[in-house]
Amino acid sequence: DTAVSQTPKYLVTQMGNDKSIKCEQNLGHDTMYWYKQDSKKFLKIMFSYNNKELIINETVPNRFSPKSPDKAHLNLHINSLELGDSAVYFCASSQEGGPGELFFGEGSRLTVL
Amino acid sequence: AQKITQTQPGMFVQEKEAVTLDCTYDTSDQSYGLFWYKQPSSGEMIFLIYQGSYDEQNATEGRYSLNFQKARKSANLVISASQLGDSAMYFCAMRGVSGGYNKLIFGAGTRLAVHP
Repeated sequence: DTAVSQTPKYLVTQMGNDKSIKCEQNLGHDTMYWYKQDSKKFLKIMFSYNNKELIINETVPNRFSPKSPDKAHLNLHINSLELGDSAVYFCASSQEGGPGELFFGEGSRLTVL
Repeated sequence: AQKITQTQPGMFVQEKEAVTLDCTYDTSDQSYGLFWYKQPSSGEMIFLIYQGSYDEQNATEGRYSLNFQKARKSANLVISASQLGDSAMYFCAMRGVSGGYNKLIFGAGTRLAVHP
């Protein structure tokens, strides 16, 4: 059983299109995240949800809209895609208390042409 | 503001030797956590080791150990007896706080190549 799963793993699309990435975790964690890894491998947090509530919203263009229908799911919708959105998007989850390490999904590679 | 610095973009080591990957951090928090993750070429992020700011002993997990020097604000990863499968990107991360909630911030990473 995959602990944190993302779909799709690969997305290739044209500029201006809208796309979504879905994420599900079966670890029972309360907190989920979206991270963006750019072409230089730098990882930056985008959003975090705790029990369906948005708790962290870094300076991300409002073309990016996360949605958490329940605490096991966190989706990312991107409107009007731009070339600079090309990256690997990682979903992750963590449990409150304890070290708080992140459990990552396998990543979704988005390529905008 | 919290910050993680990894000054080694790339490192190489001979198989079976030990290697140290550097990480320094900056925070004004008294309580924080430090993490190391491995990212092989396949792309997944693998959690390796954790050190809490109040832990007096250095963390160890198998061949991984974390050399924690609090006064110097450093949290170096030591990999003993390197194996070819250790070739990967390695990221140091710190648990910081934003608006009262935890978040992990990452360094730029170090690419490790293990040579036979």
